[in-house]
Amino acid sequence: KAGVTQTPRYLIKTRGQQVTLSCSPISGHRSVSWYQQTPGQGLQFLFEYFSETQRNKGNFPGRFSGRQFSNSRSEMNVSTLELGDSALYLCASSFDGGYYGYTFGSGTRLTVV
Amino acid sequence: TQLLEQSPQFLSIQEGENLTVYCNSSSVFSSLQWYRQEPGEGPVLLVTVVTGGEVKKLKRLTFQFGDARKDSSLHITAAQPGDTGLYLCAGAGGGSNYKLTFGKGTLLTVNP
Repeated sequence: KAGVTQTPRYLIKTRGQQVTLSCSPISGHRSVSWYQQTPGQGLQFLFEYFSETQRNKGNFPGRFSGRQFSNSRSEMNVSTLELGDSALYLCASSFDGGYYGYTFGSGTRLTVV
Repeated sequence: TQLLEQSPQFLSIQEGENLTVYCNSSSVFSSLQWYRQEPGEGPVLLVTVVTGGEVKKLKRLTFQFGDARKDSSLHITAAQPGDTGLYLCAGAGGGSNYKLTFGKGTLLTVNP
């Protein structure tokens, strides 16, 4: 079966702009989580959605937001980009919320200049 | 706040050697997961352990969950260059806590 698909793979944005990243989970998976990965901080949890509802949110500013659609596809949005937002953004899906593990996408590499 | 301390941070060994990676926390986790990540890709799940004291083997990889479900270890026997990558441990909080807490990772290089 197809894996988790993230688009785009690479993105370069200017400080102050906004960006939207997309994630298509594995068919049948209703839980989608987003993580930010940087060399200094590692993987940090952004938020988790299940059946269009946000169930958990990490410690990120309100500039980071997300949503999930009825077909389980998810988007995350970052407004007013800062240089420190440069990172690999990873989407992960699971059937039940990740207790037994997640399937990750290949990520979107965001560079803010 | 749940934290996972992973050690060592870097490991460079020769092919055929054995190694152990540790993952420790002061918090209890409902499950502990190990992932391997290669450059430019997302993490790939290797194993999930859920019971205190549980040991799982995956070919040359042995995973152990501590009795108190606060720590875990990954042991690789006779490492091969194909084992090279970033190894990450991640704890699931359980209950209504649907997030994983990740360790900072162990970057393993196996030299031929």
